[in-house]
Amino acid sequence: DIQMTQSPSSLSASVGDRVTITCRASQSISSYLNWYQQKPGKAPKLLIYAASSLQSGVPSRFSGSGSGTDFTLTISSLQPEDFATYYCQQSYSTPPTFGPGTKVDIK
Amino acid sequence: EVQLVESGGGLVQPGGSLRLSCAASGFTFSSYWMSWVRQAPGKGLEWVANIKQDGSEKYYVDSVKGRFTISRDNAKNSLYLQMNSLRAEDTAVYYCAREGPDIYSYGHEALDYWGQGTLVTVSS
Repeated sequence: DIQMTQSPSSLSASVGDRVTITCRASQSISSYLNWYQQKPGKAPKLLIYAASSLQSGVPSRFSGSGSGTDFTLTISSLQPEDFATYYCQQSYSTPPTFGPGTKVDIK
Repeated sequence: EVQLVESGGGLVQPGGSLRLSCAASGFTFSSYWMSWVRQAPGKGLEWVANIKQDGSEKYYVDSVKGRFTISRDNAKNSLYLQMNSLRAEDTAVYYCAREGPDIYSYGHEALDYWGQGTLVTVSS
């Protein structure tokens, strides 16, 4: 199985900050990398698919980049509704696997 | 509007069985692979199983192989997860999810819509 890691595991930031989360795969996954946002008690929500494609309805302050083994999710200007946990997920091979998550909270 | 609504969760004793259901609406259910994903309390996300549009292919995470069975009824727009020989470590919120947004000819899709989840607790 492909192992996914994320860094940092948590971060504190202020509204308006630029936030970057990193995801690394244990082997090359081309661009089969997806990002999700999850708020407490809610289902995950797809933000980015295929490493850099913005899911319909997701604000443009979210962006993704990378290929191979290293990927990033960037929030260009953090908004109050963005405080949540973010997960990366590889869809290169079965079983699809998730990173452990990055919790973004208020500084 | 795409909607996925899970049901069937509850408290079950170790070794017991439970059948989860997911009712889909707002899209052509028979055109999409579907997945189950679970999340243990306070933990991360774990993919459990998926099933092809016509039910001809099914895949499972190793930890549930031989115990869980995924199935679907396209006439009823419904997805199911039969869970047998349940263990304490199966305790989790179980989500059904659609594989999309359907940009690839086979596989590699993300999980573009999720249900609200149903809690399964395995305890004596």
